[in-house]
Amino acid sequence: SQQGEEDPQALSIQEGENATMNCSYKTSINNLQWYRQNSGRGLVHLILIRSNEREKHSGRLRVTLDTSKKSSSLLITASRAADTASYFCATDPNSGNTPLVFGKGTRLSVIA
Amino acid sequence: NAGVMQNPRHLVRRRGQEARLRCSPMKGHSHVYWYRQLPEEGLKFMVYLQKENIIDESGMPKERFSAEFPKEGPSILRIQQVVRGDSAAYFCASSPGLAWTNTQYFGPGTRLTVL
Repeated sequence: SQQGEEDPQALSIQEGENATMNCSYKTSINNLQWYRQNSGRGLVHLILIRSNEREKHSGRLRVTLDTSKKSSSLLITASRAADTASYFCATDPNSGNTPLVFGKGTRLSVIA
Repeated sequence: NAGVMQNPRHLVRRRGQEARLRCSPMKGHSHVYWYRQLPEEGLKFMVYLQKENIIDESGMPKERFSAEFPKEGPSILRIQQVVRGDSAAYFCASSPGLAWTNTQYFGPGTRLTVL
């Protein structure tokens, strides 16, 4: 069953603005990951945050994790048209090699 | 180091035919996962394999679907007697099998269309 649920389902912003996407999940996790998918392409891993971490940065990406609320957010700062894609959160429920559980994604459109 | 390779990228089959999807993991990766994605949906786990072993096939339909990851060669996802509902994008991911991280690297996918 789907665990991660992204919010909003779709987001449209102007280039240069920040984009924030949220993800909620139901069960305990070992880590949470964010992926990007350009239309018609495979998924690209963006960032992984472990259950004992609260915030992580990678370039223009900032991810937060609140395990008490079972939620995570992905912030993309100074967005660019090339950031237009679908963004998925995926939870890893166990330690080690287990299938990831994906949400339905947020479709981000960045308008130049 | 080439990424995860999948072929074919696009596959068209008529109802009742067989579809065979191939996945070559990244070099050094011994763990392979297959996911299915319907339009406007997220990825749904199907099966997890290590070399010569199926570890978890809980997401794969019991009938018509099978998967293997032989000692030599790519992982194969096989769909027999395809139906229109099998039309989807099928993604393969691989990981090195490290216990402390589960970053999975995805291939470009195979888009199956059943006529």
